[in-house]
Amino acid sequence: DAGITQSPRHKVTETGTPVTLRCHQTENHRYMYWYRQDPGHGLRLIHYSYGVKDTDKGEVSDGYSVSRSKTEDFLLTLESATSSQTSVYFCAISPTEAREKLFFGSGTQLSVL
Amino acid sequence: GQNIDQPTEMTATEGAIVQINCTYQTSGFNGLFWYQQHAGEAPTFLSYNVLDGLEEKGRFSSFLSRSKGYSYLLLKELQMKDSASYLCAVKGYQKVTFGTGTKLQVIP
Repeated sequence: DAGITQSPRHKVTETGTPVTLRCHQTENHRYMYWYRQDPGHGLRLIHYSYGVKDTDKGEVSDGYSVSRSKTEDFLLTLESATSSQTSVYFCAISPTEAREKLFFGSGTQLSVL
Repeated sequence: GQNIDQPTEMTATEGAIVQINCTYQTSGFNGLFWYQQHAGEAPTFLSYNVLDGLEEKGRFSSFLSRSKGYSYLLLKELQMKDSASYLCAVKGYQKVTFGTGTKLQVIP
């Protein structure tokens, strides 16, 4: 157990509303990631962080922003949700001592109506 | 860029052996991973190969050929609980790219 908690687990929202998903870890890992998973696309990287206030874009970052003001929390924000952002969102960490491995949170099922 | 191909679905019998193939094309290679994902759950790490050859871990083995851009995951003595999706992922220079996964159904 990598001590990763995602919240909320499920969310239904309307098009145009802002949404923030939270990822919390308890083991002080430096590297944190946000992925989305959609049928036919596999897991795709949205944004990642390599330290407090250090973030970078992944392959599908449009429409998303992130913040990391504390080591333990990595927030993903949809500024104005669209139906195309309906997906399952996974947070992941990779331990410094095993950078090759990703450990995932339980996921957030987001539906944008 | 990176491109990963793996079969969409496979069916195998309990107690048997199944091989799930993965082919990839990548600019830069820093390792290949296999993850298991049960329906409605998060992916969990199974294996990591960075050098050519076979890595064995209990009932699961993973093989890599970098020159061929090819890997496989071998599952022996299949159990019903092995029914899941198996994700192949490749790490390039900066990031990890995932394939779309192979859904394995184990039947009695």
